[in-house]
Amino acid sequence: NAGVTQTPKFQVLKTGQSMTLQCAQDMNHNSMYWYRQDPGMGLRLIYYSASEGTTDKGEVPNGYNVSRLNKREFSLRLESAAPSQTSVYFCASSLQGLARNTIYFGEGSWLTVV
Amino acid sequence: EDKVVQSPLSLVVHEGDTVTLNCSYEVTNFRSLLWYKQEKKAPTFLFMLTSSGIEKKSGRLSSILDKKELFSILNITATQTGDSAVYLCAAYDSNYQLIWGAGTKLIIKP
Repeated sequence: NAGVTQTPKFQVLKTGQSMTLQCAQDMNHNSMYWYRQDPGMGLRLIYYSASEGTTDKGEVPNGYNVSRLNKREFSLRLESAAPSQTSVYFCASSLQGLARNTIYFGEGSWLTVV
Repeated sequence: EDKVVQSPLSLVVHEGDTVTLNCSYEVTNFRSLLWYKQEKKAPTFLFMLTSSGIEKKSGRLSSILDKKELFSILNITATQTGDSAVYLCAAYDSNYQLIWGAGTKLIIKP
């Protein structure tokens, strides 16, 4: 069972470079999310997509863009990477963006910006 | 500002001990609270709590919510080294967004 799959798992970028993190889920979920996790700060929501065709900013959207390509796929783009974006990034999905639904996470992408 | 606070931040116990992890929340129009376990990679779901006073149980783990005092606890009895992880708690707000705590790092010594 694949669940939520995100790539790449590890990436080192130079300051100013761009990259896209890919995420796909095979659970027919409507809602998808991108989080970043930094030591001592828990999970912070970057962007989310409540349903196909919609995207909204989360708590820390600056420096990022997203695309909900279709129901399965939700990508996160760093246009000009900065060292402050060094973090672990998690993609997640849930059936609907409602308070009854469990969120399922991908395995994480470790990004280092030098 | 909505927030979720977990305590302690870290905890070291010996195998066989019982531990209690705490999660307090201040969330506008609170909907429900979730507990996750995070080992090296993705957080994995443990419990969702929506009603006050009703214990959820799964093996040696249990959790309860107190909506009057705005907190939840996660209990682990007869701890094992495999319970070592970061335990995360999160609360849904009125916009159906999850507010996450910083986590409690639990280390079980053999």
